[in-house]
Amino acid sequence: RKEVEQDPGPFNVPEGATVAFNCTYSNSASQSFFWYRQDCRKEPKLLMSVYSSGNEDGRFTAQLNRASQYISLLIRDSKLSDSATYLCVVKGSSNTGKLIFGQGTTLQVKP
Amino acid sequence: EPEVTQTPSHQVTQMGQEVILRCVPISNHLYFYWYRQILGQKVEFLVSFYNNEISEKSEIFDDQFSVERPDGSNFTLKIRSTKLEDSAMYFCASRGTRIGTDTQYFGPGTRLTVL
Repeated sequence: RKEVEQDPGPFNVPEGATVAFNCTYSNSASQSFFWYRQDCRKEPKLLMSVYSSGNEDGRFTAQLNRASQYISLLIRDSKLSDSATYLCVVKGSSNTGKLIFGQGTTLQVKP
Repeated sequence: EPEVTQTPSHQVTQMGQEVILRCVPISNHLYFYWYRQILGQKVEFLVSFYNNEISEKSEIFDDQFSVERPDGSNFTLKIRSTKLEDSAMYFCASRGTRIGTDTQYFGPGTRLTVL
């Protein structure tokens, strides 16, 4: 089983749509979870951390289900500028802080 | 806003040559990382560095790779004898030390092309 698994997509949605991405992770000892955004040939940029209680930042909502080892990201009212690859990221169980990345889910928002 | 910088942005080299990729982490950070991303694949951890020594390395980080913090600002990744399969984007990242700070900030990357 992959350490962090995502549906690669692509997800093609119209502007204004709501889209949800899912991710599973294999190590139940993982403690920290993130969604990063990556534009083509650019560096990953932190979109948001994911907390057990769920958290929201504007149009973006992240949820964590520790029992199912499942993380989600919901984007409401999609904008053209949301087109990117969304990376599900888990901090490794060692104390070095290394990050383990999923392969990413590609979102294309169309006018 | 402080940021991680990397040079060069693109490096082309011949197979068997040595390359050094340079990074300047955010100034008050103490944890440093190198990751790589082969075209079309996921980002992979290479090595973490803290207190002037490697704290963890992946299977990819074999004897051909080394890291160094030669002064108070630079953090370098050296590949001694490059192979075709080393062609990838190499990202440097750094992290602060405040308790609860897990966020890693990534540099813009160096695209390494091995011919």
